[in-house]
Amino acid sequence: GENVEQHPSTLSVQEGDSAVIKCTYSDSASNYFPWYKQELGKGPQLIIDIRSNVGEKKDQRIAVTLNKTAKHFSLHITETQPEDSAVYFCAARRQAGTALIFGKGTTLSVSS
Amino acid sequence: DARVTQTPRDKVTEMGQEVTMRCQPILGHNTVFWYRQTMMQGLELLAYFRNRAPLDDSGMPKDRFSAEMPDATLATLKIQPSEPRDSAVYFCASAPGGGGPTDTQYFGPGTRLTVL
Repeated sequence: GENVEQHPSTLSVQEGDSAVIKCTYSDSASNYFPWYKQELGKGPQLIIDIRSNVGEKKDQRIAVTLNKTAKHFSLHITETQPEDSAVYFCAARRQAGTALIFGKGTTLSVSS
Repeated sequence: DARVTQTPRDKVTEMGQEVTMRCQPILGHNTVFWYRQTMMQGLELLAYFRNRAPLDDSGMPKDRFSAEMPDATLATLKIQPSEPRDSAVYFCASAPGGGGPTDTQYFGPGTRLTVL
């Protein structure tokens, strides 16, 4: 089955710096890769996703890149702000309507 | 603002007691997932349903856990008897279904279960 590895497990940056979180997946049939942000005491919230027919997607300060050949995808946050501090999860899925396989999460801390 | 709701938000119980967690998916969503989150294992799938029929419950300990969808607006997860190792946050998520590109999963706020 699918296995998703996520690095790093913790990341500390200064406000205004960029943050990059990387994930690799094992199942070449996976075709959908969402990123979720989880704040303390809340459920994961989708922040951006990418499908396998696209190499890059951007939404304001957040971007995701996908390398299908290498089976890895990354989350890029630019101009980080303290409110970006949270746990970020990557995930992969083979088919719409099936379960997501999650990475173990990255705790991002942005200090001002 | 459509959202997934879960009750209770927190539950503390003693080992051996029955626990029931409830989820109301977003109206019109036909796929419902139950995930469990622990520090050690992260987010793991327990079971999921489409159009109220169970599709996969391979992540669930069958001897003590059961999941059902009595109707399209309610999903339940029961643990009987509960054990300390069941302590975790349990999330419900729903998705529109249909297999289209907008088949995003939306998570509820979770039920934090503590079994003493």
